[in-house]
Amino acid sequence: DAGVTQSPTHLIKTRGQQVTLRCSPKSGHDTVSWYQQALGQGPQFIFQYYEEEERQRGNFPDRFSGHQFPNYSSELNVNALLLGDSALYLCASSIRDTSNYGYTFGSGTRLTVV
Amino acid sequence: TQLLEQSPQFLSIQEGENLTVYCNSSSVFSSLQWYRQEPGEGPVLLVTVVTGGEVKKLKRLTFQFGDARKDSSLHITAAQPGDTGLYLCAGALVGGTSYGKLTFGQGTILTVHP
Repeated sequence: DAGVTQSPTHLIKTRGQQVTLRCSPKSGHDTVSWYQQALGQGPQFIFQYYEEEERQRGNFPDRFSGHQFPNYSSELNVNALLLGDSALYLCASSIRDTSNYGYTFGSGTRLTVV
Repeated sequence: TQLLEQSPQFLSIQEGENLTVYCNSSSVFSSLQWYRQEPGEGPVLLVTVVTGGEVKKLKRLTFQFGDARKDSSLHITAAQPGDTGLYLCAGALVGGTSYGKLTFGQGTILTVHP
């Protein structure tokens, strides 16, 4: 049973560029959430997608946007990259009604902005 | 201000010792989860607690949810080098429509020396 798949695993971008990260949820899961994790810190909630709509959003600027596709996969887009956007970006999937009871996380995409 | 305060931030112990990690908040949570994360990987769910006063055991790990559902602890008995990793608590706040919007603590880095 495939878990959550994220691509790419590592990415280096230049300040000001745009980036797209991809996520395929665990089979049977319909909800995808994105988190940003700085080195040595706990993950911070970016936003959550369900039924192809953004349902909740954390305290992130609108440079961060996303999309969910009919097959439940999702993308995270970040525009006008800043050095401070360097982090591990985690995708987590769940079943909507039981989301409060636990996620399955992917291994993340390590984004470095230079 | 961190909504979930974890302590200690760092823990370095010898194999066979016992340890406790704490997760505290002034907010009430509908559920609280503990995750373990290894370098280069995403967090892996260890347990979810939902009832005030609940105690769950997972082999040498014991998890407790406070009576008021504002705090939790993780106790490891006879720690082993394989327990080394970043331990994260995460809570879903009571109320609203916060399906799966988790707030994470800053994590506890545990190192168990052989």
